[in-house]
Amino acid sequence: GDSVTQMEGPVTLSEEAFLTINCTYTATGYPSLFWYVQYPGEGLQLLLKATKADDKGSNKGFEATYRKETTSFHLEKGSVQVSDSAVYFCALSVGDSSYKLIFGSGTRLLVRP
Amino acid sequence: GAGVSQSPSNKVTEKGKDVELRCDPISGHTALYWYRQSLGQGLEFLIYFQGNSAPDKSGLPSDRFSAERTGGSVSTLTIQRTQQEDSAVYLCASSPSGRGNEPQHFGDGTRLSIL
Repeated sequence: GDSVTQMEGPVTLSEEAFLTINCTYTATGYPSLFWYVQYPGEGLQLLLKATKADDKGSNKGFEATYRKETTSFHLEKGSVQVSDSAVYFCALSVGDSSYKLIFGSGTRLLVRP
Repeated sequence: GAGVSQSPSNKVTEKGKDVELRCDPISGHTALYWYRQSLGQGLEFLIYFQGNSAPDKSGLPSDRFSAERTGGSVSTLTIQRTQQEDSAVYLCASSPSGRGNEPQHFGDGTRLSIL
């Protein structure tokens, strides 16, 4: 079945460090890919998306490129801030009857000053 | 504008009781989803409503769980005879038309605790 695999956390970085959170997927069709973020005490928010191969999603300094050949959608940021501390979820949506989101297990990021 | 609204934000109840959770989607969004977020299982899809079509109930974990959507807007998720393993955060999301390339907009969730 369709699935998403994320690197396990927590990931602990110093401020201004480079961030990569790995995400790979398995899908029978042609999925759309998403990164959602959950800040402490808040709900899930869309961070970025990509809907076809080689698309790059970007927002708030974060980027991810839809790589069909490696079935990956890794999240990157060149210089993290303390305010980026949150849980990040990779997700896919593939057409069956509902386009429901299938989530990875989430990766907690902690950025230290 | 107003986002997805869920109520109550927290619910504590005794094992065996029934609970109802409410979701008010973004106005004009025809697609509505329920998910469950728990420590052991992560984020799981429960049920999907799209317009007047039959709902996709494939994610409901047991027949104790049911949901309805009245008038194409507000939805209620009902859990009968609650069990301790039902403790989780229940999230509602909506999207404009349910297409796969649309992001889903999430509410803040209802935290359900079963004693």
